[in-house]
Amino acid sequence: QKEVEQDPGPLSVPEGAIVSLNCTYSNSAFQYFMWYRQYSRKGPELLMYTYSSGNKEDGRFTAQVDKSSKYISLFIRDSQPSDSATYLCAMSAGQAGTALIFGKGTTLSVSS
Amino acid sequence: DTGVSQDPRHKITKRGQNVTFRCDPISEHNRLYWYRQTLGQGPEFLTYFQNEAQLEKSRLLSDRFSAERPKGSFSTLEIQRTEQGDSAMYLCASSLASTETQYFGPGTRLLVL
Repeated sequence: QKEVEQDPGPLSVPEGAIVSLNCTYSNSAFQYFMWYRQYSRKGPELLMYTYSSGNKEDGRFTAQVDKSSKYISLFIRDSQPSDSATYLCAMSAGQAGTALIFGKGTTLSVSS
Repeated sequence: DTGVSQDPRHKITKRGQNVTFRCDPISEHNRLYWYRQTLGQGPEFLTYFQNEAQLEKSRLLSDRFSAERPKGSFSTLEIQRTEQGDSAMYLCASSLASTETQYFGPGTRLLVL
């Protein structure tokens, strides 16, 4: 079992839909959780950062962390064609290990 | 542009040749990371520096790979005797030591023929 599991999709939705992206993980030492967006042949772009459990909202994006279930989510409201990209979850244990451990990424396509 | 920059953006080489990539981090960031990403996978950690000290190396970093950050600013990643399996996107990221958020550069795409 990989440390971070993420369904690669692809996920196709119509414009305006609510998108839910998820990752599960096995290492209980993870405390820092991030979501990155990656367009084709580009570097990952940081979208959301959450420490420990809870919710965080930024515009159309909401990140949720449930450490008891080892489950994180990213919600995108009112999805736009420009949201079409690969979404990568990433996490680290902080002081105990600074390397980010990534999921495989979920490819999202939003059609107009 | 004050983000992370990488050079070159693309590199095609023949098997057995040596290649070197450069990364310039965000200016005030004292941590610098190298990752490798293959098609359909998330980035995988290779190594990281705090200032000029290389503090952690992944088992993915074979002895053909060497990374330096001589003055605690830019970093280079060299691959000696390249193999076809080295074909990948090589990503550099940087962060402040006080935070866990890492900011990535555009990557160097390597193709080994």
